[in-house]
Amino acid sequence: ETGVTQTPRHLVMGMTNKKSLKCEQHLGHNAMYWYKQSAKKPLELMFVYNFKEQTENNSVPSRFSPECPNSSHLFLHLHTLQPEDSALYLCASSQDSGGGPRETQYFGPGTRLLVL
Amino acid sequence: QKEVEQDPGPLSVPEGAIVSLNCTYSNSAFQYFMWYRQYSRKGPELLMYTYSSGNKEDGRFTAQVDKSSKYISLFIRDSQPSDSATYLCAMIKGNTPLVFGKGTRLSVIA
Repeated sequence: ETGVTQTPRHLVMGMTNKKSLKCEQHLGHNAMYWYKQSAKKPLELMFVYNFKEQTENNSVPSRFSPECPNSSHLFLHLHTLQPEDSALYLCASSQDSGGGPRETQYFGPGTRLLVL
Repeated sequence: QKEVEQDPGPLSVPEGAIVSLNCTYSNSAFQYFMWYRQYSRKGPELLMYTYSSGNKEDGRFTAQVDKSSKYISLFIRDSQPSDSATYLCAMIKGNTPLVFGKGTRLSVIA
């Protein structure tokens, strides 16, 4: 396992449910990321937090709501999702998000989400 | 044209073969290049990281960057069934986030 943990590992939810994904990093990093990985598509960056401040929102629908209470924890709150939102959601962390080698990212194992 | 192109495969090779995985990119501003390995149902794991043109070796893995051709490669020598995974290239330009290729799915057959 890496220094980035994610819970739950699997989640099945209905379109009217509200759930949250949790990510925790034990690497002393300052930047955290949410990605969506769907079959046969590149990793899609969703959100970036650097020193607890959101620095990137990649045109993500408002049914996905991130929260970063501190540099070690990142949440993704989900509500009224659609079946096409079913995917692997990956969290990553890096030293910071200023580009260059300090942005080398380390990933968690992901949460596999199925929306029915 | 996509910023980063990577053949998704699948690529199937016999055990012991030399594997060559490649990505091309369109923007010469990319400066830092990475290869990640992703096993089924796991998150990507950083394998190699390079900055300059040339080769970087780590055990059975060699990462090669040709900035003039905008082409990067990952070679795996003496491939093993445990190397079966999806390999993603990734690169950084300036202070923008990592850009990933689609990944190449590799199967090494015993």
